[in-house]
Amino acid sequence: KQEVTQIPAALSVPEGENLVLNCSFTDSAIYNLQWFRQDPGKGLTSLLLIQSSQREQTSGRLNASLDKSSGRSTLYIAASQPGDSATYLCAVRRSNTGKLIFGQGTTLQVKP
Amino acid sequence: ETGVTQTPRHLVMGMTNKKSLKCEQHLGHNAMYWYKQSAKKPLELMFVYSLEERVENNSVPSRFSPECPNSSHLFLHLHTLQPEDSALYLCASSQLSATDTQYFGPGTRLTVL
Repeated sequence: KQEVTQIPAALSVPEGENLVLNCSFTDSAIYNLQWFRQDPGKGLTSLLLIQSSQREQTSGRLNASLDKSSGRSTLYIAASQPGDSATYLCAVRRSNTGKLIFGQGTTLQVKP
Repeated sequence: ETGVTQTPRHLVMGMTNKKSLKCEQHLGHNAMYWYKQSAKKPLELMFVYSLEERVENNSVPSRFSPECPNSSHLFLHLHTLQPEDSALYLCASSQLSATDTQYFGPGTRLTVL
């Protein structure tokens, strides 16, 4: 059974810091891995999707890496801003039905 | 806006009520999903519909009944719910492929009294 774990559960940093969020999964047989952002009481916004054959994806200040063999992914946020404050969710997809297995998320607070 | 809308945004219901949640996607996608997000728990997939056919039912109690009348609309019919069913219910859609991204609606915050 696929399990997804995110560490830390919560993180508070001053504005301008670079930071890394971690995601680990137990079964390396995945189609892809996605990072989402969720603002309080809102839906999810997709940030980055990494295919199983890829090692990393970048979008602006965000960089996500994937090491399938070790069951790990990281989301790197450069020069953090208060607007980055949100919960970041990692999800893996294992099948062609589109089913995603989510971690519990890391809640990030960036202080001005 | 992600192109996925959900109504109502908030719902309070008693345990004997019957209500329905509605989701609509304007993205031309061929798959739709219901997720449940409870406090302190990971987001849980409830149902997947692909081409209007249910392809995944994640051991969800029968008091939750999904309906997908066409590729743009998805409903979740609720009856005799329990207080522990209180949660944020999220709908998503995607164009099923190896590279698809799921687009989420804003969710319905459900409170069962």
